[in-house]
Amino acid sequence: EPEVTQTPSHQVTQMGQEVILRCVPISNHLYFYWYRQILGQKVEFLVSFYNNEISEKSEIFDDQFSVERPDGSNFTLKIRSTKLEDSAMYFCASSEISRNTEAFFGQGTRLTVV
Amino acid sequence: AQSVSQHNHHVILSEAASLELGCNYSYGGTVNLFWYVQYPGQHLQLLLKYFSGDPLVKGIKGFEAEFIKSKFSFNLRKPSVQWSDTAEYFCAVNEAGWPNFGNEKLTFGTGTRLTIIP
Repeated sequence: EPEVTQTPSHQVTQMGQEVILRCVPISNHLYFYWYRQILGQKVEFLVSFYNNEISEKSEIFDDQFSVERPDGSNFTLKIRSTKLEDSAMYFCASSEISRNTEAFFGQGTRLTVV
Repeated sequence: AQSVSQHNHHVILSEAASLELGCNYSYGGTVNLFWYVQYPGQHLQLLLKYFSGDPLVKGIKGFEAEFIKSKFSFNLRKPSVQWSDTAEYFCAVNEAGWPNFGNEKLTFGTGTRLTIIP
């Protein structure tokens, strides 16, 4: 069964450092998403991406965040200067562009900012 | 804006017990409804979904959910749980209807941790 894969599974970084979280969506999917879950809180939408551009972003997704599809398979989330409050589980997801579809999620990257 | 409430934060049951996890949403328009499950160390996996039609939806692993529009609810049920159902369960909604095709962002509840005691 095709699946969304994310690397790394756990990333520890120092405050102020840049991190890149990587995702490989399901190959025939055209919509890509990033969500995050701070420990003990809800899974929150960050950004959606379609046709090589952001289609929607939340207020969490400020100038410190960026997304990119650098090649035909990867979808990345970059945090330029990490803050302690960026510590969370980050989930990548992808979906088709057909009706009545659902998002398929990766297993997440746990980001710890120290 | 949409919001989703899951009132049960942690549920502990014995094997073979019946399960019902509550989910209520707040939104004025038409929604698609989902239940996702996350087993320890694994990805979020779709259990079931509702887009339209029969409000009683059957999903994988013996789970079902009923959409009650008048109550803005989409509760998850299973008649007899197993130890392997131990996981975190998330209810989610997104906006339905033209021009959306189900690609809209999901709004999640806080999740319910289910622990099944053998």
